[in-house]
This record gives sequence, C-alpha cells and structure tokens, in this order.
Amino acid sequence: EVQLVESGGGLVKPGGSLRLSCAASGFTFSSYSMNWVRQAPGKGLEWVSSISSSSSYIYYADSVKGRFTISRDNAKNSLYLQMNSLRAEDTAVYYCARDISSGSYFDYWGQGTLVTVSS
Amino acid sequence: DIQMTQSPSTLSASVGDRVTITCRASQSISSWLAWYQQKPGKAPKLLIYKASSLESGVPSRFSGSGSGTEFTLTISSLQPDDFATYYCQQYNSYSLTFGGGTKVEIK
Repeated sequence: EVQLVESGGGLVKPGGSLRLSCAASGFTFSSYSMNWVRQAPGKGLEWVSSISSSSSYIYYADSVKGRFTISRDNAKNSLYLQMNSLRAEDTAVYYCARDISSGSYFDYWGQGTLVTVSS
Repeated sequence: DIQMTQSPSTLSASVGDRVTITCRASQSISSWLAWYQQKPGKAPKLLIYKASSLESGVPSRFSGSGSGTEFTLTISSLQPDDFATYYCQQYNSYSLTFGGGTKVEIK
C-alpha cells in the first residue's frame, strides 16, 4: 500500500525557516517524481514544487522561488522541503504528492502537515 | 502560467441529480487535465486523468470529457458520498495549476 507521511509542520515567525519531510513507503520511491502542494486555510490547492526521480529536474512556483528548496534522499525514501524567509501567506497545509511521471497528475497524496507563519 | 477557471464555484444539488462542473484553460492544454475530489480535512483524491480516463477504483458515475481549453466533470447520479469540493488541474506545462474549486452542496 502506498503511503506518504508528512512531518515537520508547526508555528514559525515571519522570516523564519522550517523543513518539511515526507516519508514514502509501499512503492519504489526512486522511480517517481514527487511534489509539494499546499492549501491555505479555506482556499484552493496550489502546486509548490516538483523534483524528478533522480533530482535532475526541479521546478518551483513563482511564489516560493528563491525561498524554498525541494530535495529528496532515495536511499531513505524521503522527500524534503526547506522553507526559508517564511511569510504569513505561506500559512497552509502542505501535502506531498506522487506524480505518475514528471510534470503530471498526482495519484497519491499524504495527509498533510500544517505550517503556520505568525508572530 | 496557464490559468484554470472552474464554474460554478458552488453547486447545490440533490441525491440522484446529474451534476456537471466546467473547467476552462487560458490556453490549449490538449487532454492534459486531471480532476480531484476533496472532503473537509482530507487530502485530495484523484478521480480522472488525461481528461477522460477514470482512475482505478473510482465509481463509473464519474466521467470526464473535453480537450483543448474546455473540460467537464460529470457525476451521472449524485450520491451522498459525493458531496465534496472538486478541483481540476492542468499538467500541460509548469507551473502546474489548479482550478479554484467547485463545492457540491446538499440542496
């Protein structure tokens, strides 16, 4: 059974940093591109970042470019999102999601982790 | 970036109704469109990919159609479990983008 479990969310002050993790199991992690998608409270879904299976290709939404860094460790079956210079508008539930091929749709999602940016 | 516009934003319907949700892309995305269902406090669930392909395990009352810039998600006979918010997503090009969502409420 495919499982994606996010962790690392919490309350952080504006300008602060946070690192999210996503632990994957039930599939060959190193064969799939992975993504972060976020959802602000009461709002819609926003794609944040994608990383290809071997980390060769990385993409970011303009809203996070230069502040967030996506990475993965295939040996640990883990996906990460380093978030720096956090702003109030980054407050959201962050989901990790598997995509069926690079730049595609998302067939499995984690349960999400809440990041709150507030003083 | 490709903008995705869903309509309506809210839809009130009864069990057994046929429901149609529309998604329009700001430029052609061929058939590179997915639909998701999301219930409160839960992660989205994939329903349809490549505009009209039904994801494994999804009931056949869900169907998708369209290509280019106009797409529809149809629920042929609304069931109690279908009251949720639905999102379209284009994957023709980065940045991957979602529609604003359509909330299907009980009439």
